[in-house]
Amino acid sequence: KNEVEQSPQNLTAQEGEFITINCSYSVGISALHWLQQHPGGGIVSLFMLSSGKKKHGRLIATINIQEKHSSLHITASHPRDSAVYICAVEFNMLTFGGGTRLMVKP
Amino acid sequence: GAVVSQHPSWVICKSGTSVKIECRSLDFQATTMFWYRQFPKQSLMLMATSNEGSKATYEQGVEKDKFLINHASLTLSTLTVTSAHPEDSSFYICSARRRASNQPQHFGDGTRLSIL
Repeated sequence: KNEVEQSPQNLTAQEGEFITINCSYSVGISALHWLQQHPGGGIVSLFMLSSGKKKHGRLIATINIQEKHSSLHITASHPRDSAVYICAVEFNMLTFGGGTRLMVKP
Repeated sequence: GAVVSQHPSWVICKSGTSVKIECRSLDFQATTMFWYRQFPKQSLMLMATSNEGSKATYEQGVEKDKFLINHASLTLSTLTVTSAHPEDSSFYICSARRRASNQPQHFGDGTRLSIL
């Protein structure tokens, strides 16, 4: 069974700060997902990646397959980025990390 | 982009009631749909995997007679919580994936179920 660890669990930042959320997993995967869950509960898929790096707007996701590690970066953070960010690894099914609760203060 | 609609968003009902939650893929055919459950401040837990036209595969510890899943078409899966009790109160969320397995899952907005 894949163990997925996210850090930090909670993060408070000032608007404009650069944010990094980390995810480590224990066994090989076919893909890694970064998800965003807003207070109402709805989930948005931010990235799905299996190697290298992807960028979408102010969000950047990287993955190192050899080290079994991924990072999600948010540049120029904004209060609307406040949400829970979830790392999920896929091998036939998704296994979720515990999430990182991010609050960006104005 | 791919959209998954989940209905209802909120349900409050009395103990013993059966509750049906619908998950629809609006602009794509979803051969596989997933049902998750999330308790407050906890991670999502997979309950079952639903493949169109076949029986759902339930995760260990999930009672298939209590959580009935039907995936009768390529755009609709339903989860029925039968004879719901307060301990079934939770956040239920579905996701759907297109035919090709290398496609990402698209999530619904979830259903918050409260059993009184």
